[in-house]
Amino acid sequence: EPEVTQTPSHQVTQMGQEVILRCVPISNHLYFYWYRQILGQKVEFLVSFYNNEISEKSEIFDDQFSVERPDGSNFTLKIRSTKLEDSAMYFCASSDRTGANQPQHFGDGTRLSIL
Amino acid sequence: AQTVTQSQPEMSVQEAETVTLSCTYDTSESDYYLFWYKQPPSRQMILVIRQEAYKQQNATENRFSVNFQKAAKSFSLKISDSQLGDAAMYFCAYRSAYGNNDMRFGAGTRLTVKP
Repeated sequence: EPEVTQTPSHQVTQMGQEVILRCVPISNHLYFYWYRQILGQKVEFLVSFYNNEISEKSEIFDDQFSVERPDGSNFTLKIRSTKLEDSAMYFCASSDRTGANQPQHFGDGTRLSIL
Repeated sequence: AQTVTQSQPEMSVQEAETVTLSCTYDTSESDYYLFWYKQPPSRQMILVIRQEAYKQQNATENRFSVNFQKAAKSFSLKISDSQLGDAAMYFCAYRSAYGNNDMRFGAGTRLTVKP
């Protein structure tokens, strides 16, 4: 069964550095999402992306964050200048159609640790 | 804003027994969708079951079923004949049928299955 893949599985970065988290959504999917989960807390929505632009974003997704689909397969989340509080598990998800009843397929996540 | 609450941080069940995981949510919307996701130690979030709010009939998927009480805003997950492979974090999620289609997650319930 097709899967959403994320790399790396664990990223350790110094505070203030830029980090790029990578995702390869399922190939025929058109809608892409990023979520994060701070240790011990809820999974939180960051951003959704469709047709090469952001559809929705949460209040968490400030100017330090950006997303990009640089080619036909990758979907990236960039954090420009990382802060300690950015340490979390970041999940990428994709779905083939919009519509609230359509399931989102999640990747394994990238654990981001900011030192 | 919609919120999802899972009041059981941890649950335990004996293999072959039945367990129920609780989820409540708060919304003023009449049309929405509810999901249960499973996150095993391998970390990938896997859709277990979904329920449309406009359907009165409870969703069932093999050993997994829900008890959806719309008036009470409750959406519990019942796992029958529990298996060792059911051990995981379980997340309840809400998704509006209107506008923003991001998912709102509960804090999760860690399920342990004892042999």
